[in-house]
Amino acid sequence: ETGVTQTPRHLVMGMTNKKSLKCEQHLGHNAMYWYKQSAKKPLELMFVYNFKEQTENNSVPSRFSPECPNSSHLFLHLHTLQPEDSALYLCASSQTSGGDYNEQFFGPGTRLTVL
Amino acid sequence: AQKITQTQPGMFVQEKEAVTLDCTYDTSDPSYGLFWYKQPSSGEMIFLIYQGSYDQQNATEGRYSLNFQKARKSANLVISASQLGDSAMYFCAMREVGAGSYQLTFGKGTKLSVIP
Repeated sequence: ETGVTQTPRHLVMGMTNKKSLKCEQHLGHNAMYWYKQSAKKPLELMFVYNFKEQTENNSVPSRFSPECPNSSHLFLHLHTLQPEDSALYLCASSQTSGGDYNEQFFGPGTRLTVL
Repeated sequence: AQKITQTQPGMFVQEKEAVTLDCTYDTSDPSYGLFWYKQPSSGEMIFLIYQGSYDQQNATEGRYSLNFQKARKSANLVISASQLGDSAMYFCAMREVGAGSYQLTFGKGTKLSVIP
């Protein structure tokens, strides 16, 4: 595997279900990100992890719970979601070695539908 | 106020022609980076080109170039010799370095359709 991978690619869940999204990066980066992309809205940053430590949480509801066990893996645990949480969830990774560059590499996303 | 504004929800271009996708930004941070990403229907965001706020020259990457006008706070993407495979959503994004954040702020995107 190369780059950033995400599983599953598609997920349909009920509002009472508990599920998890998985992201893995094979690029040796130290930062990982979760984004939410809803229809007709800009990408919204949800969480940032740098060296396994959460550095940003953009007022995300507690029904979304991230986990970063190491610099290569990132999870998003979902429980009691709402239909408006249906969206494309994108994972990204980057280096954070300073400077203004730090291009983010994205995974293919998980298309989530909440019924 | 929006930090990244893309005023063209959709654009059409004839194959082999050039097209410009507009992006304006708003920041008081003197150090920032501007990025363009392409998102095909498959969903993956693909990095295209980067421009730093202190870069003296406009960035170029193959058929992509960035028309950076700092005083006007614009960073338009120019795609030369359009190909059918260029049909996708295009997003402009900014990172404000002085804020110490690694966050990228994205615009709403422009949907480009290349016509044969």
